[in-house]
Amino acid sequence: SQKIEQNSEALNIQEGKTATLTCNYTNYSPAYLQWYRQDPGRGPVFLLLIRENEKEKRKERLKVTFDTTLKQSLFHITASQPADSATYLCASSPNSGNTPLVFGKGTRLSVIA
Amino acid sequence: NAGVTQTPKFQVLKTGQSMTLQCAQDMNHEYMSWYRQDPGMGLRLIHYSVGAGITDQGEVPNGYNVSRSTTEDFPLRLLSAAPSQTSVYFCASRTSGSSYEQYFGPGTRLTVT
Repeated sequence: SQKIEQNSEALNIQEGKTATLTCNYTNYSPAYLQWYRQDPGRGPVFLLLIRENEKEKRKERLKVTFDTTLKQSLFHITASQPADSATYLCASSPNSGNTPLVFGKGTRLSVIA
Repeated sequence: NAGVTQTPKFQVLKTGQSMTLQCAQDMNHEYMSWYRQDPGMGLRLIHYSVGAGITDQGEVPNGYNVSRSTTEDFPLRLLSAAPSQTSVYFCASRTSGSSYEQYFGPGTRLTVT
């Protein structure tokens, strides 16, 4: 079956370092991947989308890569700050039609001052 | 724009009771969906709708009903609440086309005793 997985449940890093989160997919080839941020007690908030023909996408201190050979997307936060502490979710859909998004279980990032 | 709104924010039910979780959006989005989020399980799709009058099942539809009589509203009905339905429920909406970002509501925390 089609799966999207975030292997790390939790990640702790020091303030100022680059956080790297991983999202892997199996048994399908997504046309795109999305990344969301979720703070405790709140709904997820969209951050970035990367399409299969894009190797890299940037937004301020955020960078997302998409490697179709490795079947993987990496999400980077550079110069991390305690305010970046949250759960980050990746999501995708088997095709670009009007189909539901499937989410990974998320990685809880803690940035330690 | 209020975005996606959900009521109530918290609810406690006894086993066997029924209730409706309300969801509304004011962005004229065709696509709406309901997820539940449980610790260690991530976001799981319950039901979704691609437009008024059209609904379909997601990954975990049992015990839930939906209807979509207007573009704005997408209520989720629990027919006979069970402790296994204790969860946080999120409603989301987006423009038609699965590559578009989803907007999530603030969630409803439901406890079934």
